[in-house]
Amino acid sequence: DAGVTQSPTHLIKTRGQQVTLRCSPKSGHDTVSWYQQALGQGPQFIFQYYEEEERQRGNFPDRFSGHQFPNYSSELNVNALLLGDSALYLCASSELLAGGTYEQYFGPGTRLTVT
Amino acid sequence: SQELEQSPQSLIVQEGKNLTINCTSSKTLYGLYWYKQKYGEGLIFLMMLQKGGEEKSHEKITAKLDEKKQQSSLHITASQPSHAGIYLCGADRIETSGTYKYIFGTGTRLKVLA
Repeated sequence: DAGVTQSPTHLIKTRGQQVTLRCSPKSGHDTVSWYQQALGQGPQFIFQYYEEEERQRGNFPDRFSGHQFPNYSSELNVNALLLGDSALYLCASSELLAGGTYEQYFGPGTRLTVT
Repeated sequence: SQELEQSPQSLIVQEGKNLTINCTSSKTLYGLYWYKQKYGEGLIFLMMLQKGGEEKSHEKITAKLDEKKQQSSLHITASQPSHAGIYLCGADRIETSGTYKYIFGTGTRLKVLA
């Protein structure tokens, strides 16, 4: 099992452009969460997807949108990029297992630089 | 002020020593999560606590959530250099408005001297 994978590993965009980041969850995990981590800062929760629906959302503008596919993979889209969107974008997949055990794995992240 | 305060901000201990990191909220938490992050590596989920008074252990790391579900501690026994990194607590809360919120703590940077 490859665990959580994200693509691309890094990219550079210009202000005003749009970007799509991709995440494949750990096999068997049905929930995907996205986080933004600016350099030297802690992560910030963007949103969480479950059964192809946005289940929870953090304090991020509508420029940040997402999607979850039937195979549980997910995309994060950011429109009208700002310099402040430069960050490491982390994806995590999780599952509440039988017996109440919670399992969560993070991907390596996509480093986005906006110039 | 931070919604989820961690203390201490940084910690340097000698290998083999025990240590405790605290995470405090002014409001009741729905779930409390502990993570570890090393520079250049992703976040690693350690454990999740949901019930007041709950305690979980994984190898030499033990986390507890107090009865009021507002404070958690992470205890490392006989620390090793491999324990070094940044420890983050995360929590989900349901606000009085019914809104869901997920927040991270301020982080604790741990260094273990060999």
